[in-house]
Amino acid sequence: KAGVTQTPRYLIKTRGQQVTLSCSPISGHRSVSWYQQTPGQGLQFLFEYFSETQRNKGNFPGRFSGRQFSNSRSEMNVSTLELGDSALYLCASSLAPTGQETQYFGPGTRLLVL
Amino acid sequence: QKEVEQNSGPLSVPEGAIASLNCTYSDRVSQSFFWYRQYSGKSPELIMSIYSNGDKEDGRFTAQLNKASQYVSLLIRDSQPSDSATYLCAVVGNFGNEKLTFGTGTRLTIIP
Repeated sequence: KAGVTQTPRYLIKTRGQQVTLSCSPISGHRSVSWYQQTPGQGLQFLFEYFSETQRNKGNFPGRFSGRQFSNSRSEMNVSTLELGDSALYLCASSLAPTGQETQYFGPGTRLLVL
Repeated sequence: QKEVEQNSGPLSVPEGAIASLNCTYSDRVSQSFFWYRQYSGKSPELIMSIYSNGDKEDGRFTAQLNKASQYVSLLIRDSQPSDSATYLCAVVGNFGNEKLTFGTGTRLTIIP
């Protein structure tokens, strides 16, 4: 069974631009969560989608948004990029909403904002 | 107080010895607890999950949970150089806070 895939794997943007990242979950998984990982803050929860609905949201500004499609694929968008948005963005999928179901992580998208 | 706290390390352990990793959490009604391993430049991979008080063993790994003390630990027996990685403790809160919150991780180095 194929794992979680994320595209693109690497991205370089400049301040003020916007970016869209994509995540395809493991087949059959309906929950997708997004995380930001930085050396200083560690892994921080952005949001979770289940059956096309945002189920939970972390403490990030409104510039960070996401959505989930009917095939469970998810995208996250960051508008008006800031230098501090440089990070590894990870998505994780699970069969059911976050709880007792294991989350499986994709390889991540490394975003560099110049 | 951070929601999930871990000693950042680095923790150095001789090959063949037992590595002990600790984690405390602040939400008393947290329901699920996980240990992930992350190699440098890679994404986290699940090592162990534990949901009830006590010990859970899987091969060389043992997870221990004490909800009264809000404490989770991971023991790695017969440590191997391939165990060198950052270990992340993650906790899922209870109803209304069902998100996975990670600690900042403990960097473990196994010395041959």
